[in-house]
Amino acid sequence: AQSVTQPDIHITVSEGASLELRCNYSYGATPYLFWYVQSPGQGLQLLLKYFSGDTLVQGIKGFEAEFKRSQSSFNLRKPSVHWSDAAEYFCAGKTSYDKVIFGPGTSLSVIP
Amino acid sequence: EPEVTQTPSHQVTQMGQEVILRCVPISNHLYFYWYRQILGQKVEFLVSFYNNEISEKSEIFDDQFSVERPDGSNFTLKIRSTKLEDSAMYFCASIQPQHFGDGTRLSIL
Repeated sequence: AQSVTQPDIHITVSEGASLELRCNYSYGATPYLFWYVQSPGQGLQLLLKYFSGDTLVQGIKGFEAEFKRSQSSFNLRKPSVHWSDAAEYFCAGKTSYDKVIFGPGTSLSVIP
Repeated sequence: EPEVTQTPSHQVTQMGQEVILRCVPISNHLYFYWYRQILGQKVEFLVSFYNNEISEKSEIFDDQFSVERPDGSNFTLKIRSTKLEDSAMYFCASIQPQHFGDGTRLSIL
């Protein structure tokens, strides 16, 4: 069955430190992959997406993600975290016109 | 950039009442979706809608729920006889790339 998993429920990093949020997917074919960010009580903001081509994808707010087919992963990274990055992060996948399947989310806390 | 808009942003309803959540998808998009997010949980798929009919629905989307496109632009989710557990954020989405509205927070009292 199609699924998206995020192994880390909660991550805490210090401001200015680097960040990597993990995401793994299970699909029959390579899906389209997304990362969304959600602040408390807010909607879902698309950070970046991978459809095909270059496996390193640049997004908004200084985020990037790397698609690795061999590992079925699409990890999100940021070289230097800001306090405003504290939020819930969702990895998601879909195929063609199929529905988006979300991972369970990773809650990011940032220590000043 | 085109946006998906949802109204109202917050809906408070007595248990047992009917609610209608509204969405204006991005024009020229043909696929529309509703998702639900119970507080503190992940985003769950409810239903997809294409060519004026349901193309897929989850087990959550039972007879209590219905969707329609009443006037060619709006896309609505109707919840009949609401229950306390229907309290959640409801997101409308339009396809490629997957654009989500800001959501409607539904509170059932």
